[in-house]
Amino acid sequence: GAVVSQHPSRVICKSGTSVKIECRSLDFQATTMFWYRQFPKKSLMLMATSNEGSKATYEQGVEKDKFLINHASLTLSTLTVTSAHPEDSSFYICSAPGPRLNEQFFGPGTRLTVL
Amino acid sequence: GQSLEQPSEVTAVEGAIVQINCTYQTSGFYGLSWYQQHDGGAPTFLSYNALDGLEETGRFSSFLSRSDSYGYLLLQELQMKDSASYFCAGIGNTGKLIFGQGTTLQVKP
Repeated sequence: GAVVSQHPSRVICKSGTSVKIECRSLDFQATTMFWYRQFPKKSLMLMATSNEGSKATYEQGVEKDKFLINHASLTLSTLTVTSAHPEDSSFYICSAPGPRLNEQFFGPGTRLTVL
Repeated sequence: GQSLEQPSEVTAVEGAIVQINCTYQTSGFYGLSWYQQHDGGAPTFLSYNALDGLEETGRFSSFLSRSDSYGYLLLQELQMKDSASYFCAGIGNTGKLIFGQGTTLQVKP
């Protein structure tokens, strides 16, 4: 099956700093990618849809200036958490859809801890 | 808007059969998927229903009834490794997934 990678897998940063998370589709092109966040023992919450060559579409309640998304190429989307705070600590997961509507390939996730 | 309801926890013994239900309220709903997630890992795809009825994939089966806005995941011949969280997810027309709250399955010897 298709492979999606994320980097880094874990990151620890200080409050007020910015953190960039990369999501790559390794063997296929993705004009659309999705970003989720997940708190411990909770569900995955869709944050935004990343669109190659255009602005991301954010879900209601997600601050677009806080979570900057850039989909610079057909294989790379980045999520930047700006001015991170401890409450931003979470598991961030990206996914890319396959050719069929029900196909969704997930990255391994990035564990962000903000001190 | 979309919301999907699942039981929070289910416990069963090895070799048993367990059913995890999912009821939903969605607009622009194209189908229902099921995902498994082990602690610290990414969700992995289990099954998908676009039409009413039962889909069988090995030990896992999934059912959908659009008229009842209801679906379930059936796990047979439970194994210890099946202990994980299971999520139903509604699929929108853009392919984005809206996940249910998740059901933690604990399989006991």
